[in-house]
Amino acid sequence: GAVVSQHPSRVICKSGTSVKIECRSLDFQATTMFWYRQFPKKSLMLMATSNEGSKATYEQGVEKDKFLINHASLTLSTLTVTSAHPEDSSFYICSARDPRRSTTDTQYFGPGTRLTVL
Amino acid sequence: AQTVTQSQPEMSVQEAETVTLSCTYDTSESDYYLFWYKQPPSRQMILVIRQEAYKQQNATENRFSVNFQKAAKSFSLKISDSQLGDAAMYFCAFTPQGGSEKLVFGKGTKLTVNP
Repeated sequence: GAVVSQHPSRVICKSGTSVKIECRSLDFQATTMFWYRQFPKKSLMLMATSNEGSKATYEQGVEKDKFLINHASLTLSTLTVTSAHPEDSSFYICSARDPRRSTTDTQYFGPGTRLTVL
Repeated sequence: AQTVTQSQPEMSVQEAETVTLSCTYDTSESDYYLFWYKQPPSRQMILVIRQEAYKQQNATENRFSVNFQKAAKSFSLKISDSQLGDAAMYFCAFTPQGGSEKLVFGKGTKLTVNP
């Protein structure tokens, strides 16, 4: 249980285009999902908290117009990187909590998406 | 502000030996949760162990155990009988009970297991 998937696992795009990354909870419903960014050999940096049916909460310094988050259902959150630039190249990871478990504080992570902007 | 510090950027251990990874944290909260996550080369974050701050008993999961010292705000991970598959980045993380639900991560420790 508590399986989180991400799609695509890798994406390469041209500068100026937009890219959408999907995060799905496969065997549970998640009212809250989290989006992280990880630079090489660095720790995870929280970008935003995605709430089903409402606007995402962005961390300080994260451009909400550039990183659009939509949590349209209890099993799907999407992150769209708009007008991507090479500096947006990174590893993006989502996570979710499983409300069925007594350990609702625990986040389960997707496998990540490697974004390369040329 | 809550912070998590991992003072060992890299550690190495011989296969079958025991290694301890250090983690300290800073918080004014009294109720919170602490975690160790493992990130192997595949980059999939895997939960290793979880500790509830209100429990004095140290959490254990097979070969993995923690030494939780609440007063010292210390949360170290001990890996016994190290295996080649234990090689990974290990991240210590903290989240307060309720509230923002955010996970605060340390910078990680890269563990190498030598055959």
